[in-house]
Amino acid sequence: SAVISQKPSRDICQRGTSLTIQCQVDSQVTMMFWYRQQPGQSLTLIATANQGSEATYESGFVIDKFPISRPNLTFSTLTVSNMSPEDSSIYLCSVGANYGYTFGSGTRLTVV
Amino acid sequence: DAKTTQPPSMDCAEGRAANLPCNHSTISGNEYVYWYRQIHSQGPQYIIHGLKNNETNEMASLIITEDRKSSTLILPHATLRDTAVYYCIVRVEMNYGGATNKLIFGTGTLLAVQP
Repeated sequence: SAVISQKPSRDICQRGTSLTIQCQVDSQVTMMFWYRQQPGQSLTLIATANQGSEATYESGFVIDKFPISRPNLTFSTLTVSNMSPEDSSIYLCSVGANYGYTFGSGTRLTVV
Repeated sequence: DAKTTQPPSMDCAEGRAANLPCNHSTISGNEYVYWYRQIHSQGPQYIIHGLKNNETNEMASLIITEDRKSSTLILPHATLRDTAVYYCIVRVEMNYGGATNKLIFGTGTLLAVQP
């Protein structure tokens, strides 16, 4: 299965600022996914990142708040924009193959 | 929305089999059932998946009912390291150039393995 490297692993940010999270995969993958996990909660899918096209966002998530880039088949970034304390969560990158899905270890974000 | 229902928590004695149930009564004919687990502060870890037939691998067994409306994940000999949140997921089919599909997580079951 693919190996995912996510950076940063954690960060503490000031409200009103933005943070860009990087997801690097050790092999080429078609589909990449970004999830959010709020404290004590399950994972919520933010968007599907498709190489060469706009990301597809789930209900409740918008591009202005969570812009995503997917410049090639091994890399993606998620930006959390204009942050507020409610954005404090773990953000996880995932990649999918026909049957298997692998997750990164996540970025733990605290907004103060 | 997630298409699965799981009990919020379960206990299991170390060394015994852990049987985790999952209801997915609205599953479609071509939708797979996946199981993942998440140990505290880590990313979800793949366990097993299936469509119709029962499946077994080195980690667990997956039993899917004939009508496919429910399934059970079996950890044959639970250890303390199996304490985690277990997610039963019905993979949502997408149509994107024939590529892969997305996982929508439910609330999961917190399995506590007791010594």
